[in-house]
Amino acid sequence: GAVVSQHPSRVICKSGTSVKIECRSLDFQATTMFWYRQFPKQSLMLMATSNEGSKATYEQGVEKDKFLINHASLTLSTLTVTSAHPEDSSFYICSASGISNQPQHFGDGTRLSIL
Amino acid sequence: QKEVEQDPGPLSVPEGAIVSLNCTYSNSAFQYFMWYRQYSRKGPELLMYTYSSGNKEDGRFTAQVDKSSKYISLFIRDSQPSDSATYLCAMSEGRQGAQKLVFGQGTRLTINP
Repeated sequence: GAVVSQHPSRVICKSGTSVKIECRSLDFQATTMFWYRQFPKQSLMLMATSNEGSKATYEQGVEKDKFLINHASLTLSTLTVTSAHPEDSSFYICSASGISNQPQHFGDGTRLSIL
Repeated sequence: QKEVEQDPGPLSVPEGAIVSLNCTYSNSAFQYFMWYRQYSRKGPELLMYTYSSGNKEDGRFTAQVDKSSKYISLFIRDSQPSDSATYLCAMSEGRQGAQKLVFGQGTRLTINP
């Protein structure tokens, strides 16, 4: 089945640091990938839609200059949290689908903790 | 009002019981309906997906969609302790791979041996 790999799985860093998270589709090509954020005991909230070869589409209220998304190839999208602060601590999850009429598969998420 | 409502539970049942999980929604444009299972500190794992109204069965899992009532269900038969997880319903307006998913809050389920 479709496999989505996310790296790293856990990041702990100081306030002000920029953190890059990678999302890879391992056995299929994905023109579209999605980035979600999940707070403890809450559901997933879409942050942005990542489109290969073009700019990402951000959801209302998500700062595009803070959460930089790059989708340089059909198998890789990256999310960079710039100048991270404690309030950015969360569980970040990506998803992708190889074919538009097939459901999205999710990575295992990245737990980000900003001290 | 949230687009998708799901009882967060927690729900605790004995092993072997039939589990019923439900979501209601308000957006009549939703066409694709998914159920994901999420274990602690892991990403969601796709269990079932359906298009429009109807039933779909896969092993011990049955998904039902009633678009007229804007109501979807997931049934788990012969529940096992390994089924203990958070179950998330998700929906999209267009083709599910290319469209944003709107999730319910998730129901925390515990199956007691």
